[in-house]
Amino acid sequence: AQSVTQLDSHVSVSEGTPVLLRCNYSSSYSPSLFWYVQHPNKGLQLLLKYTSAATLVKGINGFEAEFKKSETSFHLTKPSAHMSDAAEYFCVVTEPPGGSYIPTFGRGTSLIVHP
Amino acid sequence: GAGVSQSPSNKVTEKGKDVELRCDPISGHTALYWYRQSLGQGLEFLIYFQGNSAPDKSGLPSDRFSAERTGGSVSTLTIQRTQQEDSAVYLCASSHRDMDEKLFFGSGTQLSVL
Repeated sequence: AQSVTQLDSHVSVSEGTPVLLRCNYSSSYSPSLFWYVQHPNKGLQLLLKYTSAATLVKGINGFEAEFKKSETSFHLTKPSAHMSDAAEYFCVVTEPPGGSYIPTFGRGTSLIVHP
Repeated sequence: GAGVSQSPSNKVTEKGKDVELRCDPISGHTALYWYRQSLGQGLEFLIYFQGNSAPDKSGLPSDRFSAERTGGSVSTLTIQRTQQEDSAVYLCASSHRDMDEKLFFGSGTQLSVL
């Protein structure tokens, strides 16, 4: 069965410094991987997705993630944090038909951005 | 509609009462998911509908929970004899499952069981 682990429940950074949100996954297939963001009192929104094309995926708002099969990781990064990036971030794994096609969410990482 | 619509946005009920939560997905989306999000937790899968196939109910926590999807569109999640541990945000999402798998989420229903 597929699973996803977000290694940090909270990440705190200063505005203008780099962001790293860590995600590891487990799957018996070649999965699709996603990052979603949930701003306070807002719905979940897709940031980016990986579906077996380029291993470095660029998303919205300057975020990007790198798929590393050898490390089973899909960490989310941003070179310079902005106050508006403060939100909950979820890493998601989905397997193709034959596997568990239900998107499985990590427990989330709360990103705190200090002025 | 332009997005996934959920109603009501907030529901307060008494323990033991039944509640119905509604989800209206994006037109043309064949896949529909229900998730539950408790405070400080990730999203817990509840049930999945895909086209006319039998739903995947493997995430429903007990037989008090049920869901249906009429005409391949609107879905209703019903919780019978609500308990305090049912308090959570119930999220609905839809997608073009066979196209790009991107999930479009509604704003959720905040359920509070007193």
